Amino acid sequence: AQSVTQLDSQVPVFEEAPVELRCNYSSSVSVYLFWYVQYPNQGLQLLLKYLSGSTLVKSINGFEAEFNKSQTSFHLRKPSVHISDTAEYFCAVIPTGTASKLTFGTGTRLQVTL
Amino acid sequence: EPEVTQTPSHQVTQMGQEVILRCVPISNHLYFYWYRQILGQKVEFLVSFYNNEISEKSEIFDDQFSVERPDGSNFTLKIRSTKLEDSAMYFCASTWTVNQPQHFGDGTRLSIL
Repeated sequence: AQSVTQLDSQVPVFEEAPVELRCNYSSSVSVYLFWYVQYPNQGLQLLLKYLSGSTLVKSINGFEAEFNKSQTSFHLRKPSVHISDTAEYFCAVIPTGTASKLTFGTGTRLQVTL
Repeated sequence: EPEVTQTPSHQVTQMGQEVILRCVPISNHLYFYWYRQILGQKVEFLVSFYNNEISEKSEIFDDQFSVERPDGSNFTLKIRSTKLEDSAMYFCASTWTVNQPQHFGDGTRLSIL
């Protein structure tokens, strides 16, 4: 079984400041990792994925996440946030080589203010 | 870009009534899922479906729940006799093969009165 921990339920940050949203996981098997974003009144959108290869993955809107196997982490970072980044961010894992269920963390609400 | 579509966006139902939530997955996808998110809580897996049968289900997915792919495009979740605690946002998701991310719809907000 897998579990995902997002320690920060809310992260307030000023616009143009850097941010890190933390994600740790536990699994007895290898996993793929994902970050999904949920804007207000919308569904879950895939932000980033780590399947294999380079442990640093980047999105088109400036977010990046680094897979750290030894620390079982997949933290999400952005060097300079915008008001439009205000949303709920979910970390999720799935066992490799499967189309099994996603196991989600509890989510982190990123609140960006001026 | 192809999308997963869900209808209705909001469903209000009396306790004890049956409800059917509808989803149209992305057309070439083969694996289908239902998740739910109770207000303020995390997204929870309900059931996965592949090759016209349930491949995995959670303990939440009891005898009151069922899924169906009645034709080549729709994927439905039925709750036979709704309870107050079934109030949640229900998300449909799909993917076309293993090792690929799941794509989610915008959800149906189910409110049980």
